[in-house]
Amino acid sequence: QQQVKQSPQSLIVQKGGIPIINCAYENTAFDYFPWYQQFPGKGPALLIAIRPDVSEKKEGRFTISFNKSAKQFSLHIMDSQPGDSATYFCAASIRYGGSQGNLIFGKGTKLSVKP
Amino acid sequence: DVKVTQSSRYLVKRTGEKVFLECVQDMDHENMFWYRQDPGLGLRLIYFSYDVKMKEKGDIPEGYSVSREKKERFSLILESASTNQTSMYLCASSPSPYSGNTIYFGEGSWLTVV
Repeated sequence: QQQVKQSPQSLIVQKGGIPIINCAYENTAFDYFPWYQQFPGKGPALLIAIRPDVSEKKEGRFTISFNKSAKQFSLHIMDSQPGDSATYFCAASIRYGGSQGNLIFGKGTKLSVKP
Repeated sequence: DVKVTQSSRYLVKRTGEKVFLECVQDMDHENMFWYRQDPGLGLRLIYFSYDVKMKEKGDIPEGYSVSREKKERFSLILESASTNQTSMYLCASSPSPYSGNTIYFGEGSWLTVV
């Protein structure tokens, strides 16, 4: 019940395409859903996050779509660029959960954007 | 900017050696974490700490221990390194557990055990 399932494991798109990465969770107590971006040789960094009271959040070319009833959320990258090539991790947690609020990460998606 | 510094970026150690991975954060964060990252397995939590001298096991604590003597410093210890501990290790920190869940990662320590 604590797992977050992420797919696909890897993804190759052409420049300008719209890669979509999907995540699913089981624990209905989760109320914070961030995405982290990791470039080669670097640690992951927060990209964008959503709370379950909204169905969509946009920040620049990155959009999170959230479907509470299906317990799924996804990341869309509009007009993707080679510089977006990275590994993306979804995560979920219970906000203000104290010792129970640790982020649960998906296994990651390696995205390659071809020029 | 939040800065999480892992002092050793690349290490090569022999089987059976005791290994120390050091991490320092400069934002007075209460929480600190050690993760292990392996291809196809994602980020797996080894240990975390919510306060000085406190520690709690994560998902894969076997073969590891931690030390947090000062708020800003969190060390990961491999008592007797084994080849299956060859991996990238990520330290992270976050503010109070009651202020949301954004965590900030260091750049990672690549450990090879031969």
